[in-house]
Amino acid sequence: SQQGEEDPQALSIQEGENATMNCSYKTSINNLQWYRQNSGRGLVHLILIRSNEREKHSGRLRVTLDTSKKSSSLLITASRAADTASYFCATITMDSSYKLIFGSGTRLLVRP
Amino acid sequence: DTGVSQNPRHKITKRGQNVTFRCDPISEHNRLYWYRQTLGQGPEFLTYFQNEAQLEKSRLLSDRFSAERPKGSFSTLEIQRTEQGDSAMYLCANSLWDSSNTEAFFGQGTRLTVV
Repeated sequence: SQQGEEDPQALSIQEGENATMNCSYKTSINNLQWYRQNSGRGLVHLILIRSNEREKHSGRLRVTLDTSKKSSSLLITASRAADTASYFCATITMDSSYKLIFGSGTRLLVRP
Repeated sequence: DTGVSQNPRHKITKRGQNVTFRCDPISEHNRLYWYRQTLGQGPEFLTYFQNEAQLEKSRLLSDRFSAERPKGSFSTLEIQRTEQGDSAMYLCANSLWDSSNTEAFFGQGTRLTVV
């Protein structure tokens, strides 16, 4: 089963532009994380935001979390061709299991 | 390199055969996950361990799938009587479960093709 839904499913932008991806989830969470996956490879952790936080920054990444709407957004500023990848949100659920559940992902293409 | 190693990287098998994948995690990280991923989709949760204890197995997982983590170290995922629908990337992830809930480190995955 998957917890989150990313929007859009695919995004194509020009190098230098900003990319915004959204994630909605269903159940209460302990924290929300964003991961990147280059084609055919493993996932790499980007950033984690806890349920009591509203915004977090890491380099060119900005993540927001709205627990009342059960949604999060990932903003990548000044995008580069190397940012081309799939991006997934994942949540640690607050049910008894506390397991890490992934969304369906956004495929980002940054055109040089 | 995340420190999580999966073997083999690729596996081609005939339908009906059994396959076993191995994951060697970061030694001090006590939580280990198995996921399955098909093209264009996110990782689908299969099962996870806290040390050697298997805490949960996805209801989507048939009885043909079994996982072990003896002594809380490496883990194996076995698929018996493989079907073409089992073709996917199988990912192992490792995390240190404590109050800070740190991130998961992923292996490069094992790509299974059932012919």
